[in-house]
Parts: sequence; structure tokens; C-alpha cells
Amino acid sequence: GAGVSQSPRYKVAKRGQDVALRCDPISGHVSLFWYQQALGQGPEFLTYFQNEAQLDKSGLPSDRFFAERPEGSVSTLKIQRTQQEDSAVYLCASSLEELSGANVLTFGAGSRLTVL
Amino acid sequence: DAKTTQPNSMESNEEEPVHLPCNHSTISGTDYIHWYRQLPSQGPEYVIHGLTSNVNNRMASLAIAEDRKSSTLILHRATLRDAAVYYCILRGTTNDYKLSFGAGTTVTVRA
Repeated sequence: GAGVSQSPRYKVAKRGQDVALRCDPISGHVSLFWYQQALGQGPEFLTYFQNEAQLDKSGLPSDRFFAERPEGSVSTLKIQRTQQEDSAVYLCASSLEELSGANVLTFGAGSRLTVL
Repeated sequence: DAKTTQPNSMESNEEEPVHLPCNHSTISGTDYIHWYRQLPSQGPEYVIHGLTSNVNNRMASLAIAEDRKSSTLILHRATLRDAAVYYCILRGTTNDYKLSFGAGTTVTVRA
């Protein structure tokens, strides 16, 4: 597709459930990012992939959060045993190139997770 | 991460220019200045970026101070579709994986 696609757009989970959020980046894009955006705040970095390698996962808030990109294209963000504080919009972004100061990101519309 | 400072909010009238300031006094010589905007219920959208010289594209202009400690995003003729949160972000070296958004400036456009 022409843009970054995320699914599902909306997810409601009961506390304690596991969820998986999918990101389809633009074809051929090397770099892939996940961000978490709480209501009324700016996006916060979670993790970064260069192709299939996860080069930075310093933003993942706990070991309940896990991300993968096994073939260097589609990525999945998994959250185990969801808690209410996990409620947020999860944004995926991709970029054609490896990181540089001039690197421009294209974002998906996000997956809104609500944990009851 | 190098930090940026932006006003919380700005208002503009439709068809008038909007000047969005950003202070980045700790910018390093290799940091690019990026602007993204986020419309309601959408992901952030790239607007413009620059290093030292002023930049223009179809969406906006970026004016960078000579000492690079501040910059201004200029929307030449605001429309209702420009109502969004605008983020000023510094991107540095290849180890700078994080795009640190901050709180941004909420722009309201009055009809």
C-alpha cells in the first residue's frame, strides 16, 4: 500500500488479556518505529527496528511489552497481561533509509487500545 | 536528547499566516530541525525539516535563526484543515533512534 497500515484500529481488552498489534510498513522501508501516545500527550518512543534487527528497545515500559519484525517487513507489538495504564494509542512509523538526521518518518493512523 | 521548547497553544484566523516558534538552545552542529503535525485521530504527519538554511515546501516554510538556537514554522495561509498539534523535533546522529516529540503547540484556526 501507499502508507503505513496498522490493525486493529481499535481494541478493547479486559485487564489481564494479551493483545497483539500489527504494523504493515511501506514496502521496502528499512526503519520501523513503535510509539505509545497517551491521551493529551505527545508520542513516546518504544522501540526501533532496522530491517529485522531490534536495535533499541529502551522505551518499552515493562517486560510485558514485546515487539518483533522477523522478516524485516511486518511488525507486531505484543502486550501481555494488559493493565489499565496500557490504554493508549500505539503508533507505528517507517522510513526508507537507515537512521540519519535527515530521516523522515511516515506514521500509521495508530491502534487505540482500551483496557477495562 | 536535545530539547525543544514550544508554546502550548496558538490561535489564528483562516487565510492568515501562522508563525510557530521553537527554541532549541542546546542544538548541536549535526542536529536537523524537523516539524511534524498531528491532526485529530490521526498519526503524526511530516511537515518540513532543515539543517541551517531556510526551507520551503508545499506545506510550509521553515526559518532557522543564524545561530540555530531557534526556528519558526510558517504556514502562509491557514485553513481549517491546518488545525492540529505541531511538534518541533531535533534529529541528530545515527545513534539517535528516538524522535522525541514533547507536548507540541496546539493550533486553532478560526473561520
